[in-house]
Amino acid sequence: DSGVTQTPKHLITATGQRVTLRCSPRSGDLSVYWYQQSLDQGLQFLIHYYNGEERAKGNILERFSAQQFPDLHSELNLSSLELGDSALYFCASSAGDRGDEQFFGPGTRLTVL
Amino acid sequence: AQKVTQAQTEISVVEKEDVTLDCVYETRDTTYYLFWYKQPPSGELVFLIRRNSFDEQNEISGRYSWNFQKSTSSFNFTITASQVVDSAVYFCALSEADTNAGKSTFGDGTTLTVKP
Repeated sequence: DSGVTQTPKHLITATGQRVTLRCSPRSGDLSVYWYQQSLDQGLQFLIHYYNGEERAKGNILERFSAQQFPDLHSELNLSSLELGDSALYFCASSAGDRGDEQFFGPGTRLTVL
Repeated sequence: AQKVTQAQTEISVVEKEDVTLDCVYETRDTTYYLFWYKQPPSGELVFLIRRNSFDEQNEISGRYSWNFQKSTSSFNFTITASQVVDSAVYFCALSEADTNAGKSTFGDGTTLTVKP
């Protein structure tokens, strides 16, 4: 158990809908990272937050947004969902903001029908 | 742009064999971090190692060892005396070390199957 929790574990929704994925980092970790893993795109970095501030952005679509709250949990919002958004979404946390060991949550499996 | 290439898509070995997973990277940064992660069949991602671009010392951790060669832009991973539990997908990743330090680029992964 990495200490990082993600909810929900599975999510099935329809195209055009909006969903929110939630991540709670390990106790004491200030950084949260979001990744998308799909069969055709592989493992892709989406976004990194450190202590509430956005620090780095990867290939995150404009339909996707994220934030980190004062209690350090983070949410990833996916809107206007398309079939291609079906993927495993991982959250990870680390103590610092650069190059630290990252601890991954179990992931949220999103299926868009 | 950064790029990570794991040329070996799948490797199959018999238990107790040594196996090396290759990772070649491209970056214009002079300072960066390299990582290896393991994703077993259960699906979770597990951090294995981080290496700073200034530290070219090889590292050994039990049966695992890593060879970082800046001259060839490679960061290879060797498992000695492989075991069935080593069966997993292994990802090599590269991240910037400055303001975008959290931004990682992953290779496509190498699926390792260790047969008993």
